[in-house]
Amino acid sequence: DVKVTQSSRYLVKRTGEKVFLECVQDMDHENMFWYRQDPGLGLRLIYFSYDVKMKEKGDIPEGYSVSREKKERFSLILESASTNQTSMYLCASTLQGGSNYEQYFGPGTRLTVT
Amino acid sequence: GNSVTQMEGPVTLSEEAFLTINCTYTATGYPSLFWYVQYPGEGLQLLLKATKADDKGSNKGFEATYRKETTSFHLEKGSVQVSDSAVYFCALRGTGGFKTIFGAGTRLFVKA
Repeated sequence: DVKVTQSSRYLVKRTGEKVFLECVQDMDHENMFWYRQDPGLGLRLIYFSYDVKMKEKGDIPEGYSVSREKKERFSLILESASTNQTSMYLCASTLQGGSNYEQYFGPGTRLTVT
Repeated sequence: GNSVTQMEGPVTLSEEAFLTINCTYTATGYPSLFWYVQYPGEGLQLLLKATKADDKGSNKGFEATYRKETTSFHLEKGSVQVSDSAVYFCALRGTGGFKTIFGAGTRLFVKA
């Protein structure tokens, strides 16, 4: 059974802390994505990666960075957490190539910044 | 650029009612179209997909037909159950692209 796992389901951090969210997939997918999901705003793409050590900015990259040192792992980093980064964070992966490949999502990390 | 527009929710139905959630898209070329579902407290999961015009995707009693002439991919189910309560996302992925474009999501409540 294919799987995308995220390191935490719930996380509480203080303003100014550095926060790491980890995502691992076991499907040998080339593409990995980080989204945030907020009520009324749907899913917004933060960053994506199409290969090891490659990354591209999504629609809302400000305040975030990413790391992809191994194919199966994609990390999202909040350099200095702020209250407006309180959100649900979703990781996803997909095969590269055809448009018919769907995304596989992790269960999400609900982050609260106080 | 590519975009997806879906009907706003929430949608509230009684059990066994007929469901339609409208979705229209704008895209160049021949994208693939998807419906994802998100149950409370979980990530999104694929519900169904269609990869070319006139294809019908189906799963768990849900159906959607890829209509290129109306650029639509409406989700339907003949008889909803309480367990169908969730948020439904319409999405498209263009040819050669990395990204999937998601609609804003439609929340469905089904009452017993």
